[in-house]
Amino acid sequence: GAGVSQSPSNKVTEKGKDVELRCDPISGHTALYWYRQSLGQGLEFLIYFQGNSAPDKSGLPSDRFSAERTGGSVSTLTIQRTQQEDSAVYLCASSPEGEQYFGPGTRLTVT
Amino acid sequence: GENVEQHPSTLSVQEGDSAVIKCTYSDSASNYFPWYKQELGKGPQLIIDIRSNVGEKKDQRIAVTLNKTAKHFSLHITETQPEDSAVYFCAASRGRRDDKIIFGKGTRLHILP
Repeated sequence: GAGVSQSPSNKVTEKGKDVELRCDPISGHTALYWYRQSLGQGLEFLIYFQGNSAPDKSGLPSDRFSAERTGGSVSTLTIQRTQQEDSAVYLCASSPEGEQYFGPGTRLTVT
Repeated sequence: GENVEQHPSTLSVQEGDSAVIKCTYSDSASNYFPWYKQELGKGPQLIIDIRSNVGEKKDQRIAVTLNKTAKHFSLHITETQPEDSAVYFCAASRGRRDDKIIFGKGTRLHILP
C-alpha cells in the first residue's frame, strides 16, 4: 500500500489480557516510531526503531510494554497484563529521514 | 531535553478569516519544524514543514514562519474553510536520522459557519 497501515483498527480487551498491535510502514522507510494518544491529548512518544534496532525506548511507560521490528519492516507493540489506563489510540509512523508519516492508529479499549 | 509549547489549545475562527497557531521550542539545535493536521478518527498528516535555513514557507493558504533567534514558529491559515477544522500539532527536531520529533500538545481549530 501507499501509506502506513495498522491493525487492528479497534481492539477491546479485558483488563489483565495481553494485546499485540501491528504496524506496516511505508516500504523503504528505515525509521519507525510508536506513539500513544489519549483522548483529546497530544502525542506521547513510546519507542523508535532504526532498522531492527531500538536506539530509543525511553518512552515506554512500564515493563508491560515492549516492541519489536523484524526484517526492518513490520513492527509489533505488545502490552502485557493490560490496565484501564492503557486505553488510548496507538499511532505508528515511519520515516525515510526527518519527516514522519503516520498510520490511522489502533484504538485500544481496556474494560 | 527538547520541549515544545503550543498555543492556543483551542481556536475558533469565522469561516473566511485567518487562523494563527504559535509554538516555541527550547533546543537551540532544532532545525526541522513540521506541522501536522489530525482529523477525527485519523492519524496526523504532515501538511507543511520548514527548516532553519529559511524564515518563511508558503503552500497555497498555509504558511509557516520561523524565528530562530526567539525560538518560535507559527502556522498561518488564510481564508479558512470548514474542512480546516481539525487538531493541529507543531513539532521540532534536530532533523537528523536518529533524532526524535517532539510534538506540541495540539490546537483544536473550529471553523465557524
